[in-house]
Amino acid sequence: QKEVEQNSGPLSVPEGAIASLNCTYSDRGSQSFFWYRQYSGKSPELIMFIYSNGDKEDGRFTAQLNKASQYVSLLIRDSQPSDSATYLCAVRLGARQLTFGSGTQLTVLP
Amino acid sequence: DGGITQSPKYLFRKEGQNVTLSCEQNLNHDAMYWYRQDPGQGLRLIYYSQIVNDFQKGDIAEGYSVSREKKESFPLTVTSAQKNPTAFYLCASRGLHALEAFFGQGTRLTVV
Repeated sequence: QKEVEQNSGPLSVPEGAIASLNCTYSDRGSQSFFWYRQYSGKSPELIMFIYSNGDKEDGRFTAQLNKASQYVSLLIRDSQPSDSATYLCAVRLGARQLTFGSGTQLTVLP
Repeated sequence: DGGITQSPKYLFRKEGQNVTLSCEQNLNHDAMYWYRQDPGQGLRLIYYSQIVNDFQKGDIAEGYSVSREKKESFPLTVTSAQKNPTAFYLCASRGLHALEAFFGQGTRLTVV
């Protein structure tokens, strides 16, 4: 079982819709969770991180964490074509380094 | 400007050659990391360092070497022992008490 799993997609949503990206992790001791956005040929950029159960909102982005279900998600409201990218979920267990999922490719259709 | 600088952006290596990828940061971050990304895949950890003159192997360290002689610098050498080095290499850093890590712009290495 992979430590961090994401649906590879591709996921397509129309402009203005809500995009929902999901991630599950295997280690119950995982403590902090990160979403990175990566445009084609570019390096990942941090969107949000979350470490407490519940929701965390930042502009059009909401991260949701459910530690009991070992599940973290990213919602993008009012999706724009500029949101088209690969979204990487990453998990940290204590002082250990980030473990990444393989990413979900999102396309927002104009 | 504060940030993480990787160079070169593109690098070509001949079979049997060692090459060194540069990573410099002026963020005063203690921890630095090297990741490898293959097409359509996530990032895999090669090496990391949390303090000067100390570093640890990640998940795929074979065929790679690093040094951490200065806090600002964490170069990665891809040796001839790395049989499939063509990939996108990413350097990242993190502050001592921070949760999040930030990435440089990456080096794309191709074997010719």
